[in-house]
Amino acid sequence: EVHLVESGGGLVQPGGSLRLSCAASEFSFSYYWMSWVRQAPGKGLEWVANIKYDGSEKNYVDSVKGRFIISRDNAKNSLFLQMNSLRAEDAAVYYCAREWSSGWSNWFDPWGQGTLVTVSS
Amino acid sequence: DIHLTQSPSSLSASIGDRVTITCRASHTINTHLTWYQQNPGKAPKVLIYAASTLQSGVPSRFSGSGSGTEFTLTISSLQPEDFATYYCQHSYNIPITFGQGTRLEI
Repeated sequence: EVHLVESGGGLVQPGGSLRLSCAASEFSFSYYWMSWVRQAPGKGLEWVANIKYDGSEKNYVDSVKGRFIISRDNAKNSLFLQMNSLRAEDAAVYYCAREWSSGWSNWFDPWGQGTLVTVSS
Repeated sequence: DIHLTQSPSSLSASIGDRVTITCRASHTINTHLTWYQQNPGKAPKVLIYAASTLQSGVPSRFSGSGSGTEFTLTISSLQPEDFATYYCQHSYNIPITFGQGTRLEI
């Protein structure tokens, strides 16, 4: 069964940094685009960033550009999100997700269980 | 950015009801539209992709339609496990965005 497991969440002060990891198993990780999606407590879903299967292309939502960096290590089947200059509005559950594409649509499946990031002094 | 607006934001229904949720895009997205179901404390689960293609393993009471700017998710006969929050998501361009969600309640 395809499996994604996030880790690295926790409590951080405003302005601080955190690095999230996502361990992938039971699929050919190096063949897929991967994304991070977040969900603030009681709120909706927000796509944060994605990265091409070989790491050569990365995209970000405007609100995290210049602060977050997405990366991957295909040899270790791992996805990362380096989060710097954290703000209160970055507090959320962060999910990693595999991207699928049909040519007519891209979607996320599966998703990990999520890791909670809390930004507070 | 393409903005997705779901309606209604919340919906009360009963077991066996037929319900329809609408997702409107601020710009044409062809069929680059996916529907998800999310239960409390859980990750979202894909129901429909490419606007109308049922994901493997998803019950046939779920269906999707639409193209361009208007899309619908229909549940033909509500079951107890269907009471959840539903999101649409476009993938037409970057940034990928989601609708605000529709909470389906008993």
